Formats: sequence, structure tokens, C-alpha cells
Amino acid sequence: EAQVTQNPRYLITVTGKKLTVTCSQNMNHEYMSWYRQDPGLGLRQIYYSMNVEVTDKGDVPEGYKVSRKEKRNFPLILESPSPNQTSLYFCASSLDLRETQYFGPGTRLLVL
Amino acid sequence: DAKTTQPNSMESNEEEPVHLPCNHSTISGTDYIHWYRQLPSQGPEYVIHGLTSNVNNRMASLAIAEDRKSSTLILHRATLRDAAVYYCILRDVGRSQGNLIFGKGTKLSVKP
Repeated sequence: EAQVTQNPRYLITVTGKKLTVTCSQNMNHEYMSWYRQDPGLGLRQIYYSMNVEVTDKGDVPEGYKVSRKEKRNFPLILESPSPNQTSLYFCASSLDLRETQYFGPGTRLLVL
Repeated sequence: DAKTTQPNSMESNEEEPVHLPCNHSTISGTDYIHWYRQLPSQGPEYVIHGLTSNVNNRMASLAIAEDRKSSTLILHRATLRDAAVYYCILRDVGRSQGNLIFGKGTKLSVKP
């Protein structure tokens, strides 16, 4: 089944403790992206990647890092999480930047 | 980016048609009209998109006004599973980031 998977689905952590949220797609998509969703603010793009080893900042990149060493994986790294990064995170992928995007199920993060 | 305006919420009865409106008076010639929906506790999913002509797929129909300043997503027979937030998004094919800009959307409730 074609899908985007994210792990973990739920995470509670403390300020400053590094964490990684994984994202994987099995559709051989070139374009991958991370969004965060906050009440009243909608979904906002954090980082995106056009292909392996090609990543760029989205609209709200501060406090996040990403890597794209393989086509299927696009992990989101929070080196030193802070409470304002408490949010619902979605990974998405598409054939290229113009095509339909497929979203993962989301990761709900709480930073204490 | 061109902006879309949607009603905050709508109600429908099960098995009846639903017409979800979207206004986009500042749409440009290269903007495609996309619709995504987000079911409770899930990631957004693609519904349909079009440029100028009306479009049909297995999920819905998209009716686009002749001047392209408005469009309507049509669910022909609403089911309980169609209860979701529906987002109307303008997507410029030339946009370099490839991100979808989500507004507040329309929350559709379906009554049995």
C-alpha cells in the first residue's frame, strides 16, 4: 500500500532533550516536506526537500533540522526542543513539487 | 499568495449533496485550484484540483466559475465519513517551495 509513515505518533519530552521524528514514503517520491499544524495558524511548512541531499527552509524553519540521505526517508530533528515547538507535525511527499501531496498520519509532540 | 475565503462551517444530511464554496477573487492565471480535506485525527488528503474546466473524480466534482474568481466543491452524496475540514488552496505551478498554503477551511458536519 502506498503510504507515508511517521514515528512516533505521540511524544512527550522535556526542554532541551534532542529528538528525531522519522518520516518514510514508499512511492519513490522526489519531493518531501514537513509541516506543523497549530490552532488558528493552519499548516505551515518547516522544511522541504526536492531530492536526495537537496533540502531548503520553508516558512518556519527556526529550531529544526532535516536530512535527506535516502530518497524514502526525511527525518525531522529538534536539537534542543522548546515548549513553543509543541505542535502536531505532518510529513508529506509527492512526485515533484507540483504534484499532489500525500500526508502522513501526524506526530503529536508535547515539550514540557 | 492569492487568498481564498471559505465559510467556517457547514452542515449536511447524510446521503444529500453538499456544495462547499470558495472565493478567490485575486486568483492569477497560473494558479490551480486544489481541494484537500482533513478528517479528524488524520493528515490532510487530496480531493481534487482544476484550472479552468469543471473536474470530476471518484470522490467529488469541482465547479469553477467562468471568471475563476470562485469555485465549488460538490460531494454528490455525503456520508458520515465525509465529516472533515475542507481546504480550498490556490497553487501556483511556478512556486519554488512547492508548499500548500492552508487557510482555516470549512468544517463540514454530516448528520445521520
